[in-house]
Amino acid sequence: KAGVTQTPRYLIKTRGQQVTLSCSPISGHRSVSWYQQTPGQGLQFLFEYFSETQRNKGNFPGRFSGRQFSNSRSEMNVSTLELGDSALYLCASSSGAWEARADTQYFGPGTRLTVL
Amino acid sequence: KNQVEQSPQSLIILEGKNCTLQCNYTVSPFSNLRWYKQDTGRGPVSLTIMTFSENTKSNGRYTATLDADTKQSSLHITASQLSDSASYICVVSYTGGGNKLTFGTGTQLKVEL
Repeated sequence: KAGVTQTPRYLIKTRGQQVTLSCSPISGHRSVSWYQQTPGQGLQFLFEYFSETQRNKGNFPGRFSGRQFSNSRSEMNVSTLELGDSALYLCASSSGAWEARADTQYFGPGTRLTVL
Repeated sequence: KNQVEQSPQSLIILEGKNCTLQCNYTVSPFSNLRWYKQDTGRGPVSLTIMTFSENTKSNGRYTATLDADTKQSSLHITASQLSDSASYICVVSYTGGGNKLTFGTGTQLKVEL
């Protein structure tokens, strides 16, 4: 079974631009979550989608948005990029709704975004 | 404020030795606690998941413990190998207003010959 894939793996943008990152979950998984990882803040939860609906959202500004398609693939968009958005963006999938159940999450390799 | 604190921040041990990583949390209401291993340049890999009623969970040479009363967890690594060199991240999930996650900043483990 193929793992979680993320594209692109590396991205360089300039301040003010916008970016779209893509995540393909493991086949059959319906839940996709996004995380931002930086050396200073560590891993931070962005949002979670289940069956095309956003189920949970972390404490990030509205410039960060996402969506999930009917095939469970998900995209994340960041508008008006700032220098502080430079980070590793990780996507994870699990079989069921994340909620309070202890489903195992499987992470992709991440997209390294650099904002100049 | 929900927080997860891990100690030590970094650790160097010799191959074959055991080690224990600590995780203290103030997250409430508690749902579950997870330990992840993250190799440099890669996404985290789940090691263990424990709910409120579980106090021990093993995955090969990794054994996690949970004391929900004191809000402490530990990850014990037995007979360490060079491939155990990685960052170990404790993540606590809490309920209420949707499932939210609080991440520790990780313990950087280096195993040397």
